[in-house]
Amino acid sequence: DQQVKQNSPSLSVQEGRISILNCDYTNSMFDYFLWYKKYPAEGPTFLISISSIKDKNEDGRFTVFLNKSAKHLSLHIVPSQPGDSAVYFCAAPPSVSNTGKLIFGQGTTLQVKP
Amino acid sequence: NAGVTQTPKFQVLKTGQSMTLQCAQDMNHEYMSWYRQDPGMGLRLIHYSVGAGITDQGEVPNGYNVSRSTTEDFPLRLLSAAPSQTSVYFCASSYSRAPGYGYTFGSGTRLTVV
Repeated sequence: DQQVKQNSPSLSVQEGRISILNCDYTNSMFDYFLWYKKYPAEGPTFLISISSIKDKNEDGRFTVFLNKSAKHLSLHIVPSQPGDSAVYFCAAPPSVSNTGKLIFGQGTTLQVKP
Repeated sequence: NAGVTQTPKFQVLKTGQSMTLQCAQDMNHEYMSWYRQDPGMGLRLIHYSVGAGITDQGEVPNGYNVSRSTTEDFPLRLLSAAPSQTSVYFCASSYSRAPGYGYTFGSGTRLTVV
């Protein structure tokens, strides 16, 4: 049972435009969501997180939106840059009391074209 | 500050061989975990630890053992390697119980079992 799903394996956008990466989840007990970015031959790096009590969190060019009723979150990158080309994973800990583990989506490969 | 260090970076094993993947962190992080990344499946949790002497199973623990005798080290042992264990393995650590705090990942070990 895939509790965190990223249904788009890849996304291609033009430099300067907006990139929108989507993530759906099935477990309504999730209290936090995190986004990670991964370059080839490197480990994932933490990008941004959002608590379930919020519907938006912004950090520079990156904004995450959470729609709890739809069990959906999205990561917006504005403006997109070629250096943003990477694989993006959304993830969630199963509960606030069990943060020793994360459940990851399958990942979306973003390509930003110059 | 080295962060999370994984060794080796690459390894080829024959079916039935055993080996240990090393993971060390110098950030005094309480939480450590092992993930494997397979194409189209994101990162899946193998084992995790919330402190020295405390470990627990993740989503795909079969065929792997862990122990946590010190805060710094969290080795992953493959008992009898199988081709299905061909994957990229990532170790991660975090100091905070706050669920929105991101984990720091190592750069990975690419394992091939022939």
